[in-house]
Amino acid sequence: SAVISQKPSRDICQRGTSLTIQCQVDSQVTMMFWYRQQPGQSLTLIATANQGSEATYESGFVIDKFPISRPNLTFSTLTVSNMSPEDSSIYLCSVPRTGDNYGYTFGSGTRLTVV
Amino acid sequence: AQSVTQLDSHVSVSEGTPVLLRCNYSSSYSPSLFWYVQHPNKGLQLLLKYTSAATLVKGINGFEAEFKKSETSFHLTKPSAHMSDAAEYFCVVRKAGSYQLTFGKGTKLSVIP
Repeated sequence: SAVISQKPSRDICQRGTSLTIQCQVDSQVTMMFWYRQQPGQSLTLIATANQGSEATYESGFVIDKFPISRPNLTFSTLTVSNMSPEDSSIYLCSVPRTGDNYGYTFGSGTRLTVV
Repeated sequence: AQSVTQLDSHVSVSEGTPVLLRCNYSSSYSPSLFWYVQHPNKGLQLLLKYTSAATLVKGINGFEAEFKKSETSFHLTKPSAHMSDAAEYFCVVRKAGSYQLTFGKGTKLSVIP
């Protein structure tokens, strides 16, 4: 299955600033997903990113706060904008597993702390 | 709408004893069900999946889960816990025909030497 390289693995950021998280996949994939895992909580889907089209955001998430780029079939970025302490979470990207109609591969996550 | 309830936020077992992590789901359609494991500072790893074939599913590292439609459950078991099993476990449901996953809140498994 695909291997995802996600970075940075962690960061501590000042409130009001922005952080861009990158995910690089070692194979071409049509769909990429971005998740947030708040402290002590489960994973929540932020958006689905398809190459060549606007990302589709889930309820409660907006493009101005979480702009996503998907310039090609192996790469995507998620930006967390104008950060506040409430944005402190783990952010993960995910892609469908190659040759598997059901499973998904996840990046190792970005642990973000906003101070 | 679909949902997943993991009945225990924390389970503690002694090494060599059985593991039971409980999961109940709610889905309007025939779902696919998964268990993922997350070790500290590591990515999520797929343990096993149910996709409407055999109801008893065997996964990696000796884990297995049984899909019980009548009980809407998908509990994860392992006969004998190992220290390396200490991690966070997530039960996940995927609605038929959709890529969207719904995660449970997770169960932290501690293994006592």
